[in-house]
Amino acid sequence: KAGVTQTPRYLIKTRGQQVTLSCSPISGHRSVSWYQQTPGQGLQFLFEYFSETQRNKGNFPGRFSGRQFSNSRSEMNVSTLELGDSALYLCASSFGTSGVTDTQYFGPGTRLTVL
Amino acid sequence: AQTVTQSQPEMSVQEAETVTLSCTYDTSENNYYLFWYKQPPSRQMILVIRQEAYKQQNATENRFSVNFQKAAKSFSLKISDSQLGDTAMYFCAFMKRYGGATNKLIFGTGTLLAVQP
Repeated sequence: KAGVTQTPRYLIKTRGQQVTLSCSPISGHRSVSWYQQTPGQGLQFLFEYFSETQRNKGNFPGRFSGRQFSNSRSEMNVSTLELGDSALYLCASSFGTSGVTDTQYFGPGTRLTVL
Repeated sequence: AQTVTQSQPEMSVQEAETVTLSCTYDTSENNYYLFWYKQPPSRQMILVIRQEAYKQQNATENRFSVNFQKAAKSFSLKISDSQLGDTAMYFCAFMKRYGGATNKLIFGTGTLLAVQP
């Protein structure tokens, strides 16, 4: 079974631009969570999508948004990029059942550099 | 709010020896999962082991085992017969299990393990 895939793997943008990252979960998984990893803040939860609905959101500004499609693929968008948005963005998928959590499996990440 | 603490930023072990990584956590929840993930230089986060809080038996996966002490809120990872491929950053993580919970992992700051030949 194929694992979680993320595209692109690397991205370089300039301040003020916007960016869209994509995540395809493991087949059959309906929950997708996004995390930001930086040397200073570590791993921080961005948001989780389940059945095309955002179930939870971390403490990030409104410039960070996401969505999930009917095939469970998810995208996250960052508008008006700032230098501090440079990070490794990780996507994780799990089966996802209403009211019960499950083990998350991670993709390889997208390395975003903002210049 | 839940917190996860890893007090060992870096550790080193000789190949074939045993090493234990420490993790403590704070929560008022009774039903939860604890995980150890490893992140090698390739950056892919890989699940090492999972422990369900309601299970008293410690989880084991081949050379990896945990010592789960629920009352003390301690969750250490023991790696036996260390191999060069075990070199990685190891993260301890917490996740609520029920009660409207969502798939949100709370991570510790990580322990960088170096296996020396």
